[in-house]
Amino acid sequence: AQTVTQSQPEMSVQEAETVTLSCTYDTSENNYYLFWYKQPPSRQMILVIRQEAYKQQNATENRFSVNFQKAAKSFSLKISDSQLGDTAMYFCAFMKHGGSEKLVFGKGMKLTVNP
Amino acid sequence: DTGVSQNPRHKITKRGQNVTFRCDPISEHNRLYWYRQTLGQGPEFLTYFQNEAQLEKSRLLSDRFSAERPKGSFSTLEIQRTEQGDSAMYLCASSNRGRDTEAFFGQGTRLTVV
Repeated sequence: AQTVTQSQPEMSVQEAETVTLSCTYDTSENNYYLFWYKQPPSRQMILVIRQEAYKQQNATENRFSVNFQKAAKSFSLKISDSQLGDTAMYFCAFMKHGGSEKLVFGKGMKLTVNP
Repeated sequence: DTGVSQNPRHKITKRGQNVTFRCDPISEHNRLYWYRQTLGQGPEFLTYFQNEAQLEKSRLLSDRFSAERPKGSFSTLEIQRTEQGDSAMYLCASSNRGRDTEAFFGQGTRLTVV
């Protein structure tokens, strides 16, 4: 079974600064995806960024980038130029390719961006 | 299409009562998932539909839980004889097999059992 661990329950950062959220996972699979989802207060979860395990290049989406270390089973999210709207719960998630492709989530991390 | 829609948004029920939640996925999505999220935890997988077929159920889904997706469109999740431990946020997500890995989530139904 796959597990996802987010060891930092909460972080805060000043607006415009850079912050890194950590995530580790455990799996014996070779073909999988990793995701970061954002859940703003009282709003639905939305996808921030995804990484396909077979791709060595780290994914980037505007201010969001990941550091994917496959051998270490580490998948951190870097948010540059933090904005007030980045305040949310952030969940790291694993998905095995094939079958149901259900998501396995970590416990989440509460990020607060301060003005 | 405005995304995944879930109703009701909030439900308060007395222990022992039955409740039913509805999820309307994005119209062209053939996959539908139910997850449960308790306070301080990430969502946990409950069950998965490919079109109208329920193809996987978690061990979390006790006999009191049943889910349907008639005609492969909307889905319902029913909890019979609710218990206080059923209090949680119930999330629905949909995706399109073979086209994209992204799952789109609804806003959830928050269940409180008193």
